Amino acid sequence: GDSVTQMEGPVTLSEEAFLTINCTYTATGYPSLFWYVQYPGEGLQLLLKATKADDKGSNKGFEATYRKETTSFHLEKGSVQVSDSAVYFCALVISNFGNEKLTFGTGTRLTIIP
Amino acid sequence: DGGITQSPKYLFRKEGQNVTLSCEQNLNHDAMYWYRQDPGQGLRLIYYSQIVNDFQKGDIAEGYSVSREKKESFPLTVTSAQKNPTAFYLCASSIDLGPSNQPQHFGDGTRLSIL
Repeated sequence: GDSVTQMEGPVTLSEEAFLTINCTYTATGYPSLFWYVQYPGEGLQLLLKATKADDKGSNKGFEATYRKETTSFHLEKGSVQVSDSAVYFCALVISNFGNEKLTFGTGTRLTIIP
Repeated sequence: DGGITQSPKYLFRKEGQNVTLSCEQNLNHDAMYWYRQDPGQGLRLIYYSQIVNDFQKGDIAEGYSVSREKKESFPLTVTSAQKNPTAFYLCASSIDLGPSNQPQHFGDGTRLSIL
């Protein structure tokens, strides 16, 4: 079945460090890919998405590029801030004739130290 | 402001008791979803609804029930048959079930614990 694998957390970085959170997927078709962020005590928010190969999603300084050849969608940010501390989820959805559902990774907890 | 409201934020259940979690949206979305989140795991889909008066089982529907009598509302009942109900429950909605319109709006969740 379809699945998403994220790098194990927790990840701890100093402020202004470069961030990469790895995400790879297994899918039978051509998925759309998403990154969601969950701040403490809250629900999830869509951070960015990409719907086809080589698309780059970006938002709030975060970027991720849909790499079909490596089945990856790694999340990057050039300079993280304390306010980026959260749990990040990679997810995919496969087109299924109006019956699409999200498949989530296990999440990566990110902590930024001042 | 449009959004999804889940209530209560915290809920406690006694053994053998059914409890209902509320989810209301004013986004005029057709599709609604319930997820369960456990520590160290991703979100798992419990039930989803594409339209009023219709809903489908997700990956872990056993011990749960839902209804969709109104477009705005999708309550989840955790029944006594659910033997491990302690978790964080998230409700979500999207315009429809199309691949580019997947859940983009989540509520703030309800944390359910067993007394």
